[in-house]
Amino acid sequence: GAGVSQSPSNKVTEKGKDVELRCDPISGHTALYWYRQRLGQGLEFLIYFQGNSAPDKSGLPSDRFSAERTGESVSTLTIQRTQQEDSAVYLCASSLVAAAHYEQYFGPGTRLTVT
Amino acid sequence: AQTVTQSQPEMSVQEAETVTLSCTYDTSESDYYLFWYKQPPSRQMILVIRQEAYKQQNATENRFSVNFQKAAKSFSLKISDSQLGDAAMYFCAYRSGSQGGSEKLVFGKGTKLTVNP
Repeated sequence: GAGVSQSPSNKVTEKGKDVELRCDPISGHTALYWYRQRLGQGLEFLIYFQGNSAPDKSGLPSDRFSAERTGESVSTLTIQRTQQEDSAVYLCASSLVAAAHYEQYFGPGTRLTVT
Repeated sequence: AQTVTQSQPEMSVQEAETVTLSCTYDTSESDYYLFWYKQPPSRQMILVIRQEAYKQQNATENRFSVNFQKAAKSFSLKISDSQLGDAAMYFCAYRSGSQGGSEKLVFGKGTKLTVNP
């Protein structure tokens, strides 16, 4: 079956503009995660969704970052008034449920460049 | 808060030889999971191997095995008979197994592995 997909693959934007990044999880996966990977760094957790529960937003770095998820389907990560330090690869992952023994499957990421 | 440390930014190995990547972590939890992920230039994160903390036996997956030392909080990855396709960034990651614990993965900064022909 299809894996996790993300769009766009690459995004270049000017400082101060808003951007939306999209993630389509594996069908049937109730949990969805967003991570950020800065150049030469590991992944940093941003937010995760589990079914209809309130999302865990504890990793969002500022109020310019927000995310939504439509039911158990697509998710959108929005960054408002982008800054150069927002340049990174944004990775999405999904799992059957949000539990430690369930594998997180990753998408190919969106590379965001803020000029 | 949990932390994961990978002290080797880069490693290299000759094809067909064995290489070990190091990882240490810090946690006060007793129930957790540890993972090694591979990230090739395509950016796709691929799960290589995982270890449940309650299991004493080290996990193995074909040419990949781990040395899990719970008391020392060490979790190294051994790649045997290295192949050119093993060249990638390798990330060590931690996840809480406690009920009500965070579901996020905590990653180290990664080790870039080069395989020389």
